[in-house]
Amino acid sequence: DAKTTQPTSMDCAEGRAANLPCNHSTISGNEYVYWYRQIHSQGPQYIIHGLKNNETNEMASLIITEDRKSSTLILPHATLRDTAVYYCIVRERSNDYKLSFGAGTTVTVRA
Amino acid sequence: NAGVTQTPKFRVLKTGQSMTLLCAQDMNHEYMYWYRQDPGMGLRLIHYSVGEGTTAKGEVPDGYNVSRLKKQNFLLGLESAAPSQTSVYFCATNGLAGGQWGEQFFGPGTRLTVL
Repeated sequence: DAKTTQPTSMDCAEGRAANLPCNHSTISGNEYVYWYRQIHSQGPQYIIHGLKNNETNEMASLIITEDRKSSTLILPHATLRDTAVYYCIVRERSNDYKLSFGAGTTVTVRA
Repeated sequence: NAGVTQTPKFRVLKTGQSMTLLCAQDMNHEYMYWYRQDPGMGLRLIHYSVGEGTTAKGEVPDGYNVSRLKKQNFLLGLESAAPSQTSVYFCATNGLAGGQWGEQFFGPGTRLTVL
């Protein structure tokens, strides 16, 4: 599976959009981009995933560049409850559906 | 529905002791996983199962054994605990219905300390 690179940490103001970047320059054509988050001491929570097209759900939007070498997770209106570690994961759809977590980005939403 | 539950929530062991962590799910998912998370790090896959009666090794399987005798339960065993196994252990499941194949559901974790 392709490796991802994320900033170690970032701050965001409450009520503003949070844009979380992820680089995956070695991604292959059949690999998907997933985002999970982990709020302190809890199990990770699925946010969104995509292949080529931009995706949106009730939690966030995922923007994937045309060359698919990077993506951005957008939290449209960050709240204090969005403070968490966010993981960008690239994975091929396979029979075992395993995930490989890196260190992620620690996002702190400030009032 | 309870989703994914883990038992126990906390445990302290002495070096050399054994224990079993239980993961139970009521979502009828085929796939189940055990991860460990050390402080300040991401999750690492220990073992996983693609269905009842099957198990497979993940990234860090040494020192652990698993069993999946029933579809809804996935057990993680430590035969002889070591301080290096002090960690938070998370169980997860993955369903295949309705395009949810990408989404893993995680339990609340078991915090294990080995002295």
